[in-house]
Amino acid sequence: GDSVTQMEGPVTLSEEAFLTINCTYTATGYPSLFWYVQYPGEGLQLLLKATKADDKGSNKGFEATYRKETTSFHLEKGSVQVSDSAVYFCALSEPGFQKLVFGTGTRLLVSP
Amino acid sequence: NAGVTQTPKFRVLKTGQSMTLLCAQDMNHEYMYWYRQDPGMGLRLIHYSVGEGTTAKGEVPDGYNVSRLKKQNFLLGLESAAPSQTSVYFCASIYFGTGGRNTEAFFGQGTRLTVV
Repeated sequence: GDSVTQMEGPVTLSEEAFLTINCTYTATGYPSLFWYVQYPGEGLQLLLKATKADDKGSNKGFEATYRKETTSFHLEKGSVQVSDSAVYFCALSEPGFQKLVFGTGTRLLVSP
Repeated sequence: NAGVTQTPKFRVLKTGQSMTLLCAQDMNHEYMYWYRQDPGMGLRLIHYSVGEGTTAKGEVPDGYNVSRLKKQNFLLGLESAAPSQTSVYFCASIYFGTGGRNTEAFFGQGTRLTVV
């Protein structure tokens, strides 16, 4: 079945550091890929998405590129802020399956 | 536009007690989902619904029941709570769009349940 694998956390960075959170997936078809973010005490909210190979999703300085050849969708940001501290979830959805499959989440901690 | 509203936000139950969690959405979505979130395990799907009057099991359905009598509401019930059901519960209302390409999930703020 479909699955999403994320790097273990927590990821601890200083403000203005470069961020990469790895995400790889397994799917039977051609999925859409997503990153969701969960701030403390809140539900998940969509950060960015990509729906076909080589698409780049971007939002709030975060980017991720849909790499079909490596089945990956790594999240990057050039300069993190303390306010980016949150849990980040990679997810996929296959057409016709009406389900979102989530990874286990990666906690990011950014210190001043 | 409230989006997805979950009630209650916090609850403490004794083992064996029952309760119902309510999820309400105002976006006219067909698909609604209940997840539980546990440390190190991400989000696991409990039950879901593809429309009014329908329900289906997810990956961890045991000990839970659900009902979708109205399109905007999706209820999650625990008939006899157990400590293993201590978790944070999230409801999501999901729009899949044409061919799934415009999928977007809207989540409630969660219910923190402790079973003692």
